[in-house]
This record gives sequence, C-alpha cells and structure tokens, in this order.
Amino acid sequence: KAGVTQTPRYLIKTRGQQVTLSCSPISGHRSVSWYQQTPGQGLQFLFEYFSETQRNKGNFPGRFSGRQFSNSRSEMNVSTLELGDSALYLCASSTQDPSYEQYFGPGTRLTVT
Amino acid sequence: DQQVKQNSPSLSVQEGRISILNCDYTNSMFDYFLWYKKYPAEGPTFLISISSIKDKNEDGRFTVFLNKSAKHLSLHIVPSQPGDSAVYFCAASGIGGGSNYKLTFGKGTLLTVNP
Repeated sequence: KAGVTQTPRYLIKTRGQQVTLSCSPISGHRSVSWYQQTPGQGLQFLFEYFSETQRNKGNFPGRFSGRQFSNSRSEMNVSTLELGDSALYLCASSTQDPSYEQYFGPGTRLTVT
Repeated sequence: DQQVKQNSPSLSVQEGRISILNCDYTNSMFDYFLWYKKYPAEGPTFLISISSIKDKNEDGRFTVFLNKSAKHLSLHIVPSQPGDSAVYFCAASGIGGGSNYKLTFGKGTLLTVNP
C-alpha cells in the first residue's frame, strides 16, 4: 500500500499571502488529521476530518482551515500568512478513529518570509 | 496547558546501553499511549503503544512502561543502536472515556546514540 503523500514538500511564501497544502491518505483510510510542528513545540493538532466532516479542531486562529473530499483526500488552507506560520505541516491518516495509531506523511515545509 | 510533557529535550547514550525516555501526562481521561519516532525530513512513525489496562508492553528492543497512579510512562530501548538516533514523541488519547479523535503529543526528546 502506498503511504500518506503530501504536496508540495517545500513551499516559500510571503507574509499576507495564502497557501493550500494537500494530503492523500492511505487507501481505505477515512480519517485525516493535520498537525503543525515548530521547533520546541512538538506536534500541535490543527483539525481532523472523517467522511468530509470536521470532528475536532485545535486551538488555532480562523486563518487555518481545512476540508476533506469524498475520496478522503484533504486540503488545509492558511490565509494571510504570518512569519510565525513557518513550520512543518504534517498530515496523518487512520482507518476510523485517530485516537489509535496514525500514519504520517513526510510533511510540507512552509517558510514565510 | 501542556497535557503531555517530555521534560528532557535531549538524551545521549552509548551504543549497546539502555535508553530511557520519559513522559508525564496530566489529563486523567487519557487511557491510550503511544510512542512515535521521527527522523529529519520524514514524518513520525509509530513505534509502540500501551493501553491503560496494562502496565507494560514489549516489542523487540522496545518496552513501554505505564504508571497510572503517577501519570508517567517511559520507553526503554535495549540495546540502543546508532540507528535509533531520532526524535521520540510521546502521545496520548482518550478511548474509554470517549474519543475526541485526536492524539495529544509531547514536545519530543532527541535521542543520540553514540557508536
């Protein structure tokens, strides 16, 4: 089985711009979670989707949004980028409930200048 | 409010010795715990997990111990190998208490195994 894929792998944007990141889960996985990783902060939960519905959301401003499509692929969007949004954005998939084991993609490294 | 804490940002051990990585949690609703390993430029990979009904789970060189009364878990790697050098994340979730569809991660511990 192919693993979780994320595109693009690297991205450089300017403050004020917006960005869309994409995630394709493992085939058959219907739950997709997104995390932000910054130095010294670990993995911070952004949101989780299952069957196109957001089931949980982390403590991030409304500039961070996401969606899931009927084929379980997911996108996250960050509008009005700030320097502090520079981070590694990780996507993870699981069969139904991400409270158990999740499978992570390689991440998208976003740099905001 | 950090609910999962890994108080040691880094740990250095000699090859062949034991590595012990520690994790504390504050949320009493957590009843499922996992360890992930992360190499640079890769996503985290699942290592081992433990349910709160157990106090120990073993998988090859990796053993996780859970002390519920102390809200503490640890990962033991024996013997440690240079390839184990990575960042290790502790994570927790609530299952029996009602899943909220997320894992809560600690900030990670960088393990360096010296040859």
